[in-house]
Amino acid sequence: DTAVSQTPKYLVTQMGNDKSIKCEQNLGHDTMYWYKQDSKKFLKIMFSYNNKELIINETVPNRFSPKSPDKAHLNLHINSLELGDSAVYFCASSQDLGAGNQPQHFGDGTRLSIL
Amino acid sequence: LAKTTQPISMDSYEGQEVNITCSHNNIATNDYITWYQQFPSQGPRFIIQGYKTKVTNEVASLFIPADRKSSTLSLPRVSLSDTAVYYCLVIMDSNYQLIWGAGTKLIIKP
Repeated sequence: DTAVSQTPKYLVTQMGNDKSIKCEQNLGHDTMYWYKQDSKKFLKIMFSYNNKELIINETVPNRFSPKSPDKAHLNLHINSLELGDSAVYFCASSQDLGAGNQPQHFGDGTRLSIL
Repeated sequence: LAKTTQPISMDSYEGQEVNITCSHNNIATNDYITWYQQFPSQGPRFIIQGYKTKVTNEVASLFIPADRKSSTLSLPRVSLSDTAVYYCLVIMDSNYQLIWGAGTKLIIKP
């Protein structure tokens, strides 16, 4: 069973469209994250949710809106897509946000390409 | 401003020991240091984590000096399959901020 799964794996769309990426974890973790990884492989944290509550909200355009219907799911909705949004988006989860000794488990990423 | 710094790239040969060092000068008392490995088209994968001194598991060792301002990931007897990007992460216990290094691209040659 895949611990952290993201869909879709690939997403190719036109500038200006709205799209969503879904993430689910079956590890029973309390905390979930969204990351953006650019072409230079920098991992940038975007959001973190703990028990469905937003904890970390880095400087991200408000076109990006995370939604957590329950603690096993954290979806990312992106409005009015721009060329600069092209990247790989990773979902991750960990047992607890506050405990720095809890490793994160990552999905395999969603490769978003804006035409 | 908290920051983690690691070399951009490293080369080594099969069978050698590889050491990758990350500096984290502003690390606080309760912050942990974690290392991840990432292969192409995959998400980062946890390798090892430590707080002080030395930690060893089946794949790597992590050395942390007393001042904790740096940490060194040690991969013993590397193989071609260890070619990957290695990330250092410090999680700030005070505000949950995640301080990722930029990643070290390790290339192992035959």
